[in-house]
Amino acid sequence: EDKVVQSPLSLVVHEGDTVTLNCSYEVTNFRSLLWYKQEKKAPTFLFMLTSSGIEKKSGRLSSILDKKELFSILNITATQTGDSAVYLCAGGGGSEKLVFGKGTKLTVNP
Amino acid sequence: DSGVTQTPKHLITATGQRVTLRCSPRSGDLSVYWYQQSLDQGLQFLIQYYNGEERAKGNILERFSAQQFPDLHSELNLSSLELGDSALYFCASSAGPLHGGSPLHFGNGTRLTVT
Repeated sequence: EDKVVQSPLSLVVHEGDTVTLNCSYEVTNFRSLLWYKQEKKAPTFLFMLTSSGIEKKSGRLSSILDKKELFSILNITATQTGDSAVYLCAGGGGSEKLVFGKGTKLTVNP
Repeated sequence: DSGVTQTPKHLITATGQRVTLRCSPRSGDLSVYWYQQSLDQGLQFLIQYYNGEERAKGNILERFSAQQFPDLHSELNLSSLELGDSALYFCASSAGPLHGGSPLHFGNGTRLTVT
């Protein structure tokens, strides 16, 4: 059965810190790894990494995919209180099913 | 705003009842996905439709059913409700196949409380 595991489950940092969130996956016929940010409501799309795009960057956020070791990391530099959220990682395989991890809850204190 | 619209936002009902959740995908998106999110299970895939046809099925109970209509909106029907069905139900849409590089965009969800 496909599986996505995220670590740590929760993280508390101070504004300005850099954080690294981890995601390991076991997905049959793996094709893509997605990161989402979930505040109070809908998960918001951040990045999609595939075999043709194993590193993505947007502002203070960046992500890499290691297809050999089956993991991905999400880095957030110079964290702000607005970065406080649950970060979800999801793996997509040959089917249309996207398998989500349970998320990392990030709290950024002022 | 993702462009995916879900109604209602909240629903409170009793055990044994039946409810219908509605989703309108982003303009131009052909795929609709339904997910259930509970505190202990995280986001669980239920079912996916593409242009009116069922494409993938996850851990959807037999008491649950869904369909996608010609105008591409989708409905998720939950019947014989149990306390354990209380959760946040998300709809997501995408322009094309997930494996083709189209990410999912989520609506704000419907919070279902079964009493």
